[in-house]
Amino acid sequence: GQQVMQIPQYQHVQEGEDFTTYCNSSTTLSNIQWYKQRPGGHPVFLIQLVKSGEVKKQKRLTFQFGEAKKNSSLHITATQTTDVGTYFCAGPPYTGGFKTIFGAGTRLFVKA
Amino acid sequence: DTEVTQTPKHLVMGMTNKKSLKCEQHMGHRAMYWYKQKAKKPPELMFVYSYEKLSINESVPSRFSPECPNSSLLNLHLHALQPEDSALYLCASLKPGQRNTEAFFGQGTRLTVV
Repeated sequence: GQQVMQIPQYQHVQEGEDFTTYCNSSTTLSNIQWYKQRPGGHPVFLIQLVKSGEVKKQKRLTFQFGEAKKNSSLHITATQTTDVGTYFCAGPPYTGGFKTIFGAGTRLFVKA
Repeated sequence: DTEVTQTPKHLVMGMTNKKSLKCEQHMGHRAMYWYKQKAKKPPELMFVYSYEKLSINESVPSRFSPECPNSSLLNLHLHALQPEDSALYLCASLKPGQRNTEAFFGQGTRLTVV
């Protein structure tokens, strides 16, 4: 079955440092979504990438979708304490359907 | 209204109890999901309803019984649960379509089975 792997599992950074999390799927994805979950909260949608090789930016966040539509990355420039949380990638298989599978997540810790 | 509302927020139940979790959305979304999330783990897909019909059941034990009475409501009936079923139960909805699969999550029900 489809598997979505995400690394690293944890990342500790000093405020102001950059952060990157990587997501790899065992199968081609129809699209990929990124979510952020604050401690004690629920996942909140950040962005969706659909096209092969797509790059999108949201302020300090840069999202990329690989050419083969099997991998993706999220890069945060100059982290802030408000960036703390777990970042999940998620995606349905290229074959379609509603089976959105989440990666294991990367938990980001930011030290002020 | 871009909210998914889940009730109750917290639930403590005994192993012989019967309880129900409720989820409601008024965004016209026709796909609704139940996820289970254990601490420090990703959401794990349980059920998917599409146009009020059960589309996906991820081999969930029968002590969890989903129900979709109409396009806005999703229930999860619980019976004879085990302590290991304690988790955060998340409901999500989305408007199906390849280019529009943002999932809106409710705040979850934190379930404790004693």
